[in-house]
Amino acid sequence: AQKITQTQPGMFVQEKEAVTLDCTYDTSDPSYGLFWYKQPSSGEMIFLIYQGSYDQQNATEGRYSLNFQKARKSANLVISASQLGDSAMYFCAMRGLINAGNNRKLIWGLGTSLAVNP
Amino acid sequence: DVKVTQSSRYLVKRTGEKVFLECVQDMDHENMFWYRQDPGLGLRLIYFSYDVKMKEKGDIPEGYSVSREKKERFSLILESASTNQTSMYLCASSLGGLTNTGELFFGEGSRLTVL
Repeated sequence: AQKITQTQPGMFVQEKEAVTLDCTYDTSDPSYGLFWYKQPSSGEMIFLIYQGSYDQQNATEGRYSLNFQKARKSANLVISASQLGDSAMYFCAMRGLINAGNNRKLIWGLGTSLAVNP
Repeated sequence: DVKVTQSSRYLVKRTGEKVFLECVQDMDHENMFWYRQDPGLGLRLIYFSYDVKMKEKGDIPEGYSVSREKKERFSLILESASTNQTSMYLCASSLGGLTNTGELFFGEGSRLTVL
């Protein structure tokens, strides 16, 4: 069965510091994709970054980078130089790319609430 | 600018009422999804559709039905609303196939309160 685990219900970080949000996953698919989404208090889910399981390099998008460790089945999100606007819920998700039953929908973690302190 | 639009941001309904939540996307996406989000429970998939008139049950379909008569529109129906269906409802869409990332594009959400 596919599963996403986010072990940190809440995190605090000082403005301008870096923070790592943890995500571990379990899947039987040999090929899969991993996503991170941000949900501010307004409620809309915002896509941040994507990592394919066969991508040779860790994904980066501006201040966001994904620390992908395939052997450990972890896909941690690193936010550099935190800003007050980064305060939000962050969700890790996964999609299988082989099994026809898995490839259409995402499996979600329960999220981590990040608070950035001034 | 690509967009997923949900018909209502906030709704208040009474127990037993029939409730329609509408979602429209302008990206020609094959897949559309309805989630509900409750504190501490994350996003739970209610139903999804991978083509017009096609639908599949998600993790929590009981008490809900869906309709997809046109590619751009996916409706969630609560036949007889109950208080335990008070929640935030999120609609999303994505491209079909295995050659793209399958990134979901979300609407702003509909917060439903059932009294």
